[in-house]
Amino acid sequence: TQLLEQSPQFLSIQEGENLTVYCNSSSVFSSLQWYRQEPGEGPVLLVTVVTGGEVKKLKRLTFQFGDARKDSSLHITAAQPGDTGLYLCAGAGGTSYGKLTFGQGTILTVHP
Amino acid sequence: GAVVSQHPSRVICKSGTSVKIECRSLDFQATTMFWYRQFPKQSLMLMATSNEGSKATYEQGVEKDKFLINHASLTLSTLTVTSAHPEDSSFYICSVQTGENQPQHFGDGTRLSIL
Repeated sequence: TQLLEQSPQFLSIQEGENLTVYCNSSSVFSSLQWYRQEPGEGPVLLVTVVTGGEVKKLKRLTFQFGDARKDSSLHITAAQPGDTGLYLCAGAGGTSYGKLTFGQGTILTVHP
Repeated sequence: GAVVSQHPSRVICKSGTSVKIECRSLDFQATTMFWYRQFPKQSLMLMATSNEGSKATYEQGVEKDKFLINHASLTLSTLTVTSAHPEDSSFYICSVQTGENQPQHFGDGTRLSIL
């Protein structure tokens, strides 16, 4: 069984602060996706990282894929209240072909 | 634009009722769709993989007779929660994968509340 350990589970910060969310696994993934979900809605894809060592930026969000394709991080600079939500990492490929392996999720609350 | 349409968004019904949830792939023919269940403030839990024209593949611990999945066309998969009970109350979400090694796109979910 593939596992993706996501941390922290909860994050409560003030507007303007920086934060990093981590996803780690002992398994290699062919790609890793990051999603953001708001209450009562489905997850929305933020980014897909495919190549080991890859870094992608989406405005204030920076995503990294580890060299060995076993881990990933999401860094948010100068967080805003609109960033509040549930962040999910999900690995594709590996031994669970065709399925996604989800992390436990990080509930981020950004206070104004 | 949206890739997946899920309906209904919310259902409230009495215990013992069967509830059908639809998941439609828009502008894309999906041979595979996925059904997830999510509890409050938790991650998604895969229930089953819906395969067009064949039986769904259920994850361990998911009762196939309880959660009936039908994928009769390339754009529609349905999940029927049979004889629902309060413990079946949850947020159910479907997703579509647009190609091999492509990310999954999710519907907006269905909030099921069994009284």
